[in-house]
Amino acid sequence: ETGVTQTPRHLVMGMTNKKSLKCEQHLGHNAMYWYKQSAKKPLELMFVYSLEERVENNSVPSRFSPECPNSSHLFLHLHTLQPEDSALYLCASSQDPTSAEQYFGPGTRLTVT
Amino acid sequence: QKEVEQNSGPLSVPEGAIASLNCTYSDRGSQSFFWYRQYSGKSPELIMFIYSNGDKEDGRFTAQLNKASQYVSLLIRDSQPSDSATYLCAVKLDSNYQLIWGAGTKLIIKP
Repeated sequence: ETGVTQTPRHLVMGMTNKKSLKCEQHLGHNAMYWYKQSAKKPLELMFVYSLEERVENNSVPSRFSPECPNSSHLFLHLHTLQPEDSALYLCASSQDPTSAEQYFGPGTRLTVT
Repeated sequence: QKEVEQNSGPLSVPEGAIASLNCTYSDRGSQSFFWYRQYSGKSPELIMFIYSNGDKEDGRFTAQLNKASQYVSLLIRDSQPSDSATYLCAVKLDSNYQLIWGAGTKLIIKP
């Protein structure tokens, strides 16, 4: 595997379900990000991790819970989501959190029913 | 509120012509400027960045920055149908980790 991978690519879940999104980067980068992308809206930064420590948390609802067990892996745990949380969730990585040269994974298309 | 504005388009350009994409930003403290391309159903990929006033050329792509007027543009020469995509402008303040993103301009190159 090369670059940034994400699983699953598509996810449909009910509002009472619990699921997790997984991201893995094979670039040797030290920073990882979760973004939310909704149609016709700018990318919304959710979380930033640098060397497994969270360095940015943009007032994201607690129903989204990130986890970064090491510098190559990032998870987003989801529970009791709302229909408005349906979106494309993108993972990205960069050499360090000050670098804007970010490399994105293919995304997880999430639908909350 | 820090903002990055882009015309959503679609911008339709004939093949072989120059496509011009524009972006304005609100924060004068912005230091770095980036253009990402996103094909339909795909994730964004970085194509150009610029830090200083003036022009920066890379192949068929030219990024232009005017800090006094707070705009950054992307020119694509000899446009090809494969350039059809949404182009995202992103701006960074050196003071924090975040990129501030525009909503993107959809570009269509007509054969």
